[in-house]
Formats: sequence, C-alpha cells, structure tokens
Amino acid sequence: DAKTTQPNSMESNEEEPVHLPCNHSTISGTDYIHWYRQLPSQGPEYVIHGLTSNVNNRMASLAIAEDRKSSTLILHRATLRDAAVYYCILRDEGNEKLTFGTGTRLTIIP
Amino acid sequence: DAGVTQSPTHLIKTRGQQVTLRCSPKSGHDTVSWYQQALGQGPQFIFQYYEEEERQRGNFPDRFSGHQFPNYSSELNVNALLLGDSALYLCASSFFTRRANEKLFFGSGTQLSVL
Repeated sequence: DAKTTQPNSMESNEEEPVHLPCNHSTISGTDYIHWYRQLPSQGPEYVIHGLTSNVNNRMASLAIAEDRKSSTLILHRATLRDAAVYYCILRDEGNEKLTFGTGTRLTIIP
Repeated sequence: DAGVTQSPTHLIKTRGQQVTLRCSPKSGHDTVSWYQQALGQGPQFIFQYYEEEERQRGNFPDRFSGHQFPNYSSELNVNALLLGDSALYLCASSFFTRRANEKLFFGSGTQLSVL
C-alpha cells in the first residue's frame, strides 16, 4: 500500500480556516485520496475524497497538487466540533481495505 | 435511518477466553469490514465479509475469525485472548463495488479489555 505522511498534531483558532497537509510521494495513478476523521469516543467518519481535481463538499475542501504527491484538507471555518484525528488514506481500485496511519490530531482553540 | 450499530459497547475478558462482537451494517449496505484500533494508533484492517464469505484479510492470526449472516450483519470472534488484543474493535459497512471511491461508514466500536 502506498504510504502517507502527516504531521502528528496541529492547532488552530476557532472560526479560522485550517489546512491539514498530507504527503504521498509514492502515489500511483489509480490511487484515490481519502480523508476520514475520528472524533473522541467515536469511529472514523468519512470527510472527502478525490483523484486528481480539487473537491468541495459541505464538510471540507480537498486540494490536490498537480503532481498528486501531496494534498491538503481545508476546513473553511473551524469549530470546536472539528477537534479530531484526521487521517489521509490512499485507496486503489479493488482494494477493499483502508490503511490508516496515525493521522493528525487537530486541536481547536476557543 | 440507523447507521452502523455495534454491540456490546464495552467488554472485559480474561486471558485465554473467547469473545464475540456483533455488527449491524447501515441500511442497504451488503459488506462489512472489521478493524482493530490500539490506543494511540490508527485502525488496522482485520477482514471484510461480503455474501457471507471472507473477501480480504489483513495481517491477523487465525484466532480472529468472522461470520456474515444472510441479513448482512456480522460477528467477529477472537479465541484464546491475549493481553495485546485489548483494543477498540470497529465495524464498517459499505456497498460491495470494489471501487476505490466507495465510502465506508463506521460504528462507534466495542472497547475490549483483556485482563
């Protein structure tokens, strides 16, 4: 499985944008980039995914570098409820599993 | 619409015992995957069930086994429990598409403590 690298932790002020980086230099052409987050005492929750183009949904935006070797999850206006561990995961066609790393622990400062 | 439900929420066992964890997938989903999450780590894939068969397996010993029922619900069984089996066990459900853009929906997990 191609590997991703994320910072262990980040802090952000409430109501400000948050940019969570992910490096995946060994990504293959058919790997999708997925983001999940895990709030305290809960299972992971799907956030967003993309292949080549930037993506937006109601939760976040995903910016993918042109060479696809890195991506950034953008929370446009962080709230206290966004405090969680965020996982960046690569997933290939036909591969049923998600390979989680240790993720980025995001702390939101009131 | 109920999401993924797991039972029990917490469980305490002793070394050498056997345990069964249960999962009901999100309505309409036909595929169940199980993950183990040790404290401070990301979830690790155990196996996936579709059409009552194990379709893919992670790097876990045979002590870990599973079952899927005709109503798509699933069980995870762990035999001969070790202290190192203490973890949060997560169930995820999805449609069986083999597509890399398929989303998984996770339950809140079963916290297993082995004493």
